[in-house]
Amino acid sequence: AQTVTQSQPEMSVQEAETVTLSCTYDTSESDYYLFWYKQPPSRQMILVIRQEAYKQQNATENRFSVNFQKAAKSFSLKISDSQLGDAAMYFCAYRGVYGNKLVFGAGTILRVKS
Amino acid sequence: GAGVSQTPSNKVTEKGKYVELRCDPISGHTALYWYRQSLGQGPEFLIYFQGTGAADDSGLPNDRFFAVRPEGSVSTLKIQRTERGDSAVYLCASSLIGAGSYNEQFFGPGTRLTVL
Repeated sequence: AQTVTQSQPEMSVQEAETVTLSCTYDTSESDYYLFWYKQPPSRQMILVIRQEAYKQQNATENRFSVNFQKAAKSFSLKISDSQLGDAAMYFCAYRGVYGNKLVFGAGTILRVKS
Repeated sequence: GAGVSQTPSNKVTEKGKYVELRCDPISGHTALYWYRQSLGQGPEFLIYFQGTGAADDSGLPNDRFFAVRPEGSVSTLKIQRTERGDSAVYLCASSLIGAGSYNEQFFGPGTRLTVL
């Protein structure tokens, strides 16, 4: 079975600074997708960024980028120029290419200080 | 267009009671998922529908939990003889198509169930 581990329960960052959230996963599959989701207090889960495992190039979406290390099974999220609106719970998630369900980590609370 | 909606937003019930949680997916989405998110944890998969049928119900914790999607659109998660341990946020998601290719799962705001 696949597992996703987020070892940082909580992180803080100063507004306009950069922060990196860590995620490791375990799988025996060779092809899969990895995701970062943001969950604000409204509970609405929002997709931030995704990475296909067969792509070597790290995904980037505006201020959000990932560092995908397939051999190490590591998938970290970097948020640049942090904004107050980035404050939320962030979840790392895994899905097999032929699967359907998302497997989530326990989450990291991100606090942004002004 | 409208996103995934879930009703009620909050539900408080007493131990032993029966509850139904409703999910309205995005129009045209054939795949629908239910997840359960306990306090301080990430969502855990419960069940996946492709059309009207439950293609994967391996996440349902026991036979008190049941879900239906009779017309391939709205889904209802049913919990019998509720227990305090069932208290959680129940999230629903839908996607255009199901397994076998990439397709984004769009989530609803969830139903917070509290069992007293």
